[in-house]
Amino acid sequence: QKEVEQNSGPLSVPEGAIASLNCTYSDRGSQSFFWYRQYSGKSPELIMSIYSNGDKEDGRFTAQLNKASQYVSLLIRDSQPSDSATYLCAVNIYESGGSNYKLTFGKGTLLTVNP
Amino acid sequence: KAGVTQTPRYLIKTRGQQVTLSCSPISGHRSVSWYQQTPGQGLQFLFEYFSETQRNKGNFPGRFSGRQFSNSRSEMNVSTLELGDSALYLCASSWNRDRGYEQYFGPGTRLTVT
Repeated sequence: QKEVEQNSGPLSVPEGAIASLNCTYSDRGSQSFFWYRQYSGKSPELIMSIYSNGDKEDGRFTAQLNKASQYVSLLIRDSQPSDSATYLCAVNIYESGGSNYKLTFGKGTLLTVNP
Repeated sequence: KAGVTQTPRYLIKTRGQQVTLSCSPISGHRSVSWYQQTPGQGLQFLFEYFSETQRNKGNFPGRFSGRQFSNSRSEMNVSTLELGDSALYLCASSWNRDRGYEQYFGPGTRLTVT
């Protein structure tokens, strides 16, 4: 079964620090990668998408993709207490035998930013 | 632009009953996917609909079914409810079902089976 793995955490960082969240995936053919943020009791919110090797920056967030290592990460600079949430990595995984792609999620990393 | 809406937001049912959940995608989005989220299993894919056709299905029993209407609104149905069906049911919409598509989630329906 093709999988997406994340450290469950919790990951605790002080306010103002850089939080680093990591994700590995098993399907070498995956082309699309996403990071979602989910606050407790809420639904997931898309915060970053990345499709090419390298870095993609959006404000305080940077997504990094290394397809050769099958690794995607999310860096949050100048972490704020409001960043405290579960971060879900999602990978579009190809279903063999057809043209179907399925968005497969890791189980998430709980991030706590301490004031 | 309005986001994805789901109704009802909360539901309490007893074992053996059936339930229907509704999802209205973002205007212009044609793909709707459904997920079940539980603390133990995380987010698990149920099925995806595009142009009123089921395009992909996860590993759930046949008690879980869905459909999509011509206006892209979607419903999912769970028959003969079991205690283990208690979960947050999320729908997500995307503009297309190209492999690069971004999915946007609704607020979810919290189902409790007693």
